[in-house]
Amino acid sequence: EVQLVESGGGLVQPGGSLRLSCAASGFTFGDHWMHWVRQAPGKGLVWVSRINPDGSRITYADSLKGRFTISRDNAKNTLYLQMKSLRAEDTAVYYCARDARDVRLLDYWGQGTLVTVSS
Amino acid sequence: DIQMTQSPSSLSASVGDRVTITCRASQIISTYLNWYQQKPGKAPKVLIYTASSLQSGVPSRFSGSGSGTDFTLTISSLQPEDFATYYCQQYYSTPLTFGGGTKVEIK
Repeated sequence: EVQLVESGGGLVQPGGSLRLSCAASGFTFGDHWMHWVRQAPGKGLVWVSRINPDGSRITYADSLKGRFTISRDNAKNTLYLQMKSLRAEDTAVYYCARDARDVRLLDYWGQGTLVTVSS
Repeated sequence: DIQMTQSPSSLSASVGDRVTITCRASQIISTYLNWYQQKPGKAPKVLIYTASSLQSGVPSRFSGSGSGTDFTLTISSLQPEDFATYYCQQYYSTPLTFGGGTKVEIK
């Protein structure tokens, strides 16, 4: 069974940093592109970033470039999102999602981890 | 960036109703259009991929159609468990973009 479990969320002050993790199991992690998607409270889904299987190709939402860094450790089956210079508007549930191999689709999602940026 | 516009943003319907949600892309995206269902406090779940393919395990009352810029999600007979928010998403190019969502509520 495919499982994605995010962790690392919490309360952080404006300007602070946080690293999110997404532990993957039930599939060959190193074969899949992976994504982060976020959702502010009561709002819609917003794509954040994606990374290819070997970590050599990375794309970010333009608004987040320079503050967020996606990475992965295939030996640990884990996806990461390093966030810095956090702002109130970064408050959201952050989901990791698996990219299906044969179709352009985010086919499995984690349960999400809540990041709250507040003083 | 490709903008995805969903309509309506919300609707009220009764069990057994036929429900149609539309999604329009700001440019041609072929059939690289997916539909997700999200219930409160839960992660999105795939319903339809590449515009019209039903995800494994999803009831056949859900269907999708369209290509180019205009797409439709149809629920042929609304069931109690279908009350949720629905999102379209384009995967033609990055940044991936989602529609604003359609909240389906009980009438």
